[in-house]
Amino acid sequence: GAGVSQSPSNKVTEKGKDVELRCDPISGHTALYWYRQSLGQGLEFLIYFQGNSAPDKSGLPSDRFSAERTGGSVSTLTIQRTQQEDSAVYLCASSSTPPGRQPQHFGDGTRLSIL
Amino acid sequence: GESVGLHLPTLSVQEGDNSIINCAYSNSASDYFIWYKQESGKGPQFIIDIRSNMDKRQGQRVTVLLNKTVKHLSLQIAATQPGDSAVYFCAATTTDSWGKFQFGAGTQVVVTP
Repeated sequence: GAGVSQSPSNKVTEKGKDVELRCDPISGHTALYWYRQSLGQGLEFLIYFQGNSAPDKSGLPSDRFSAERTGGSVSTLTIQRTQQEDSAVYLCASSSTPPGRQPQHFGDGTRLSIL
Repeated sequence: GESVGLHLPTLSVQEGDNSIINCAYSNSASDYFIWYKQESGKGPQFIIDIRSNMDKRQGQRVTVLLNKTVKHLSLQIAATQPGDSAVYFCAATTTDSWGKFQFGAGTQVVVTP
């Protein structure tokens, strides 16, 4: 597709379950970002992938959060043992290089609700 | 660290009028700025960007102004339309970053008929 694609668009799960969120970036974009957006809040950086370099995980809130990017394209964000405070919209973005000189293009996000 | 914020959380504007959305940033090293529009249930959509070597940049019905002296950024929307109702974010990054932007919380723009 032409834009960043995220799935599922909505996810409702019980506390303690694991969830996987998927991001398919724009073809050719080497930089990929995950953000979390809570109601009425700005975007909270989670993790950044750039090419084959080691990801910047400095924004991950706890060790329950992890992400990987396979083949330099699709990325999966995994949240283990979900907690109610994990409820938020998880946004993925990608950009071309150089990443600090190009806008990030966002998907429509996954709305995660923890019961 | 970077701190980016917006002066007004909500802006109500009459259809056809011009809108001005403001943003302040704290890091004087910031040199690349973006405005995004986010409609309900959707991801942020790129509107316009500007680099620090410019003071003004125009797009279709939008103009971004950058005042580096006071570290202030604004977005002007001409002839505001109902479809412009959304939350608007500014974002900033620095030369030596890899694109780690700091985002403001956003301004809700409500267009009234």
